[in-house]
Amino acid sequence: EAQVTQNPRYLITVTGKKLTVTCSQNMNHEYMSWYRQDPGLGLRQIYYSMNVEVTDKGDVPEGYKVSRKEKRNFPLILESPSPNQTSLYFCASSLWGDKPQHFGDGTRLSIL
Amino acid sequence: GESVGLHLPTLSVQEGDNSIINCAYSNSASDYFIWYKQESGKGPQFIIDIRSNMDKRQGQRVTVLLNKTVKHLSLQIAATQPGDSAVYFCAENGGNTGKLIFGQGTTLQVKP
Repeated sequence: EAQVTQNPRYLITVTGKKLTVTCSQNMNHEYMSWYRQDPGLGLRQIYYSMNVEVTDKGDVPEGYKVSRKEKRNFPLILESPSPNQTSLYFCASSLWGDKPQHFGDGTRLSIL
Repeated sequence: GESVGLHLPTLSVQEGDNSIINCAYSNSASDYFIWYKQESGKGPQFIIDIRSNMDKRQGQRVTVLLNKTVKHLSLQIAATQPGDSAVYFCAENGGNTGKLIFGQGTTLQVKP
């Protein structure tokens, strides 16, 4: 089954404790992206990757890191999480940019 | 900066009626537009897309209209069903192949 898989689905943690949210796709897609979704603000793009070893900032990259060492994986790293990063996060992938993106089921992060 | 907005936060329609969800975008450089549907607890799901060289595109029960003159996008759903109840987002690429900018979302409620 073609899918985008995120882990964990839920996480409660504390300020400053580094965490990684993994994202994996099995569709051999070139393009991958991370979004956060907050009430009243909709979905906002954090980072995206057009291909392996190529990453670019979206609209809200501050406080986040990403890496794209292999095509299928695109982890989101919060080196020092803060409460304002409490949000619902989505990973997405597509064949390439300007193609419909397939979204994962989301990761709900709570930073205390 | 650019923004994508939806005219109404909530739209309530009778089952069987047609639904029209509107979206205004501000970036005239955008050349790719997408509509997504998001059900509670799930990630956004692709519905239909359109490129700027087209005015209209039809799918199964859905039609997207693009008016570049007034920077307006609409999603028409024919014979709306209870399963269509969800939040609908429009998105644009701002002329950048890698980026995707989402609107705030319109909640569609289908009354039986």
